[in-house]
Amino acid sequence: QVQLQQWGAGLLKPSETLSLTCAVSAGSLSGYYWGWIRQPPGKGLEWIGEINLSGSTNYNPSLKSRVTISMDPSNNQFSLKLNSVTAADTSVYYCARGQQYQILWGQGTLVTVSS
Amino acid sequence: EIVMTQSPATLSVSPGERATLSCRASQSIGSNLAWYQQKPGQAPRLLIYGASARTTGIPARFSGSGSGTEFTLTISSLQSEDFAIYYCQQYENRPPITFGQGTRLEIK
Repeated sequence: QVQLQQWGAGLLKPSETLSLTCAVSAGSLSGYYWGWIRQPPGKGLEWIGEINLSGSTNYNPSLKSRVTISMDPSNNQFSLKLNSVTAADTSVYYCARGQQYQILWGQGTLVTVSS
Repeated sequence: EIVMTQSPATLSVSPGERATLSCRASQSIGSNLAWYQQKPGQAPRLLIYGASARTTGIPARFSGSGSGTEFTLTISSLQSEDFAIYYCQQYENRPPITFGQGTRLEIK
């Protein structure tokens, strides 16, 4: 069955760039949107953005100026970059599949921003 | 941006009883609403999409209803594994997709 496995740096300093990658196993990137959602500790969910195989992207307007989502079809992966991070970006970041609702999720990566 | 408001914030229910969770959208979203269940340390799990369609493998005790701006998730007979946080999500008007703040369902 299709699974998402994600990884990336878990501790950043303010102003650095968050970088996470999500690999899709036992499935194709084709035909779906792939995205990122985050959750501050003890709080709710915030949609960050999405991408499809054609490279079409949609971003949350609140993060758009700092976010880039890209795709690496040769490795069946997609990635998130969030620049100029602050403590407010401390969250568990999830990759997920789905343009409307998200039926498949990665395991989550806690990213902490601290000086 | 559509704001999703869930109520109550916390719901205390005894096992075997019925739980009713509410979600309200700041403007009409048709039936473009999903419900998720999240347990501690886990990713959210999709329960319901299209306001009332259950995802494969979700027990029949979970049901969703509503359209427009008012939605309900009902769990007909609570099992121990159902105690978790539940989130609603709209995908009618995107970007961005937006979530409610969650309802914590706890054991009474």
